[in-house]
Amino acid sequence: GAVVSQHPSRVICKSGTSVKIECRSLDFQATTMFWYRQFPKKSLMLMATSNEGSKATYEQGVEKDKFLINHASLTLSTLTVTSAHPEDSSFYICSARDPQPFQETQYFGPGTRLLVL
Amino acid sequence: LAKTTQPISMDSYEGQEVNITCSHNNIATNDYITWYQQFPSQGPRFIIQGYKTKVTNEVASLFIPADRKSSTLSLPRVSLSDTAVYYCLVGEGTGGFKTIFGAGTRLFVKA
Repeated sequence: GAVVSQHPSRVICKSGTSVKIECRSLDFQATTMFWYRQFPKKSLMLMATSNEGSKATYEQGVEKDKFLINHASLTLSTLTVTSAHPEDSSFYICSARDPQPFQETQYFGPGTRLLVL
Repeated sequence: LAKTTQPISMDSYEGQEVNITCSHNNIATNDYITWYQQFPSQGPRFIIQGYKTKVTNEVASLFIPADRKSSTLSLPRVSLSDTAVYYCLVGEGTGGFKTIFGAGTRLFVKA
């Protein structure tokens, strides 16, 4: 089956620093990837849609200058949390859309736990 | 964008069949219905996807009535390891779609 990886799995950083999270589709090419964040016991909240070779589309309320997304290749998207603050602490999950064999199937990465001190 | 409604939580016992129903009254013609399973501190895992009627794979069955305004995920003979949150998602349509997660159903399987 389709596999999506994320790196790192968890990261602790100081307030004010930037953190980069990588999302890779390992066995398929993904023209579209998605970034979500999830707070404890809450559902996933879509942050942005990342399209290869073009600018990401951000959901309402998500600051594009704070959450930088780059989708430079068909297998890699990165999310950079700039000038992180404690309120950015969350579980960040990426997904990649595999158009084969079904329409609209997303495969999710294992998630990245970010803790900002 | 199709909105989904599921029960917040369900309890079951090991060995029982569990059916989780999701309503999606404004599903569009091009939309598929997809179910995911999520364990704590993990990304959601794809379970099953369908468009209409019945779909079955090695882990679950998905029943979709003719009007497609609801769907039921059926888990046969659940075990303790099936304790998780189950999400029903409906796609926005072909190309450029995005997925909005509802609250999901928290299934707790007891011994």
